[in-house]
Amino acid sequence: ETGVTQSPTHLIKTRGQQVTLRCSSQSGHNTVSWYQQALGQGPQFIFQYYREEENGRGNFPPRFSGLQFPNYSSELNVNALELDDSALYLCASSSSGRLPDTQYFGPGTRLTVL
Amino acid sequence: EDQVTQSPEALRLQEGESSSLNCSYTVSGLRGLFWYRQDPGKGPEFLFTLYSAGEEKEKERLKATLTKKESFLHITAPKPEDSATYLCAVNGGSQGNLIFGKGTKLSVKP
Repeated sequence: ETGVTQSPTHLIKTRGQQVTLRCSSQSGHNTVSWYQQALGQGPQFIFQYYREEENGRGNFPPRFSGLQFPNYSSELNVNALELDDSALYLCASSSSGRLPDTQYFGPGTRLTVL
Repeated sequence: EDQVTQSPEALRLQEGESSSLNCSYTVSGLRGLFWYRQDPGKGPEFLFTLYSAGEEKEKERLKATLTKKESFLHITAPKPEDSATYLCAVNGGSQGNLIFGKGTKLSVKP
């Protein structure tokens, strides 16, 4: 069984640029959630996708957007990058949109904004 | 507002010295409480899910328990490889998201 994978592993961008992060969900999972984890903090919920539709959103501005594809993989897009966007971005997949299914995390993408 | 508080922030143990990590929560209608282990620069690794007060789960040297207000992660005779940050999260709102605490950083010295 293949686990959750994310790409790229690391990324360096400058302020004002745009970035796309990618996630492949675990086999058999149809729900993907994205989290932002600042250094020394717990992960913060960005949004969740279930069967290609946004299924909930945390307290993040509209410049954070996402997509889910028919194969349940997902993208996180961030426009107009700010220095505070520097963080570890985590993708988690689960088996359905019902609660409370266990979420399994990928290794993360480390984003640095200069 | 739903909230998760973990204590202590950091814990140093000698190998073999048992201890407990605490996770207290306030949430409207707990649907599940989750424990994860996170190594530096990596994604959280799932450990346990607890659904109702009184429930307990065990895995190797770890045992998780749940009450109506808090959860404990008991570590029995820890080894250096148990060193990591342990994260607690709850799912209790209408959305399918997890609300995390800041974690407890555990260091086990040989």
